[in-house]
Amino acid sequence: QQQVKQSPQSLIVQKGGISIINCAYENTAFDYFPWYQQFPGKGPALLIAIRPDVSEKKEGRFTISFNKSAKQFSLHIMDSQPGDSATYFCAAGIGAGSYQLTFGKGTKLSVIP
Amino acid sequence: DSGVTQTPKHLITATGQRVTLRCSPRSGDLSVYWYQQSLDQGLQFLIQYYNGEERAKGNILERFSAQQFPDLHSELNLSSLELGDSALYFCASSVATGHATGELFFGEGSRLTVL
Repeated sequence: QQQVKQSPQSLIVQKGGISIINCAYENTAFDYFPWYQQFPGKGPALLIAIRPDVSEKKEGRFTISFNKSAKQFSLHIMDSQPGDSATYFCAAGIGAGSYQLTFGKGTKLSVIP
Repeated sequence: DSGVTQTPKHLITATGQRVTLRCSPRSGDLSVYWYQQSLDQGLQFLIQYYNGEERAKGNILERFSAQQFPDLHSELNLSSLELGDSALYFCASSVATGHATGELFFGEGSRLTVL
């Protein structure tokens, strides 16, 4: 069964701290791993994505770490800011033919001043 | 603003009824996806259309159906509604299917409440 397990369900981080969200997958056919950010009342929006040929991708304060052998990937948010407070979803997809993504259940991040 | 438009934003109806949710994809996007978001199940893929044809099916109930029209807008039809169908329904679009950027652009969703 195609599943993506995400943890923690919720996370509270002090402003300036590091937020870490973890995901694990089962299907080795997945070849695309995006993270989506969702603010209340809005749809999810792509934050950053990685393919399994690299172990890390960084965009500003956001970094994806990818461990192919462990079938795990994680999102690190450095210098977390109150504006980062949102729900974060990891996802996995198989690129050929369709981008039907399998999403994790989400992590609600609260960054407190 | 993602460029994906969904209507209605909110819908309240009774069990047993039928509703239609509408989605207009971003200009130029050929693929439309429907997702259901509930508190306990997260974002569940329902169905994908590409240029008018069904491309992939996920956990879509038989009571639900969708189509994509020649102008590329899509409709999701939900019938014989049950309390458990209450959820946020998202439409997303992408440039194409296959090895494109992979980015899905989501609308703001249609919140369905079944009483």
